[in-house]
Amino acid sequence: AQSVAQPEDQVNVAEGNPLTVKCTYSVSGNPYLFWYVQYPNRGLQFLLKYITGDNLVKGSYGFEAEFNKSQTSFHLKKPSALVSDSALYFCAVRDRNSGAGSYQLTFGKGTKLSVIP
Amino acid sequence: ETGVTQTPRHLVMGMTNKKSLKCEQHLGHNAMYWYKQSAKKPLELMFVYNFKEQTENNSVPSRFSPECPNSSHLFLHLHTLQPEDSALYLCASSLQLNTGNTEAFFGQGTRLTVV
Repeated sequence: AQSVAQPEDQVNVAEGNPLTVKCTYSVSGNPYLFWYVQYPNRGLQFLLKYITGDNLVKGSYGFEAEFNKSQTSFHLKKPSALVSDSALYFCAVRDRNSGAGSYQLTFGKGTKLSVIP
Repeated sequence: ETGVTQTPRHLVMGMTNKKSLKCEQHLGHNAMYWYKQSAKKPLELMFVYNFKEQTENNSVPSRFSPECPNSSHLFLHLHTLQPEDSALYLCASSLQLNTGNTEAFFGQGTRLTVV
């Protein structure tokens, strides 16, 4: 079985400060990891993914995430937050070794990010 | 825009009504999905289609009935729903199943309210 935990329901950060949105995962094999963002009344938009290789992944809108296998984490980061980054962020995992079930993405509950002007 | 379009954006229906949600993508994807998003709960995968064939039904009640006439279109037929079925229903597509490293593209969702 695979699972994702986003330990914070809400993260508040001042504009211009660095932000971190936390994600930990559990899979039986090796993971594919994804971050999505959801703005109000919209669907999910893909931000970035970790497949293999460099543990630091860069994505859209200046976001990046670091894969840490020993800590089973994939935290989302941005050096300088913008008010427009305020949204709901979802981490998702897929076990690359799960065979027939390999297509199933498991999402976390989401973290609401509020960037304060 | 992600290339996945859902209609209607909002729907209010009574418990005895029958309605359908529509999803369309022209990304050349062969896998399509229905998700349910309820407040403060993880996204729930409902149905999966790959090359028009249903491959997954995650114990979804029979009052939800999916249909995939071709790889570009996906429907969710609704009948005799309950108020607890009120949620945001999201459609998504991806290249195909078993390409686990590809991301899914989501539509904007249909906000369903059952009264």
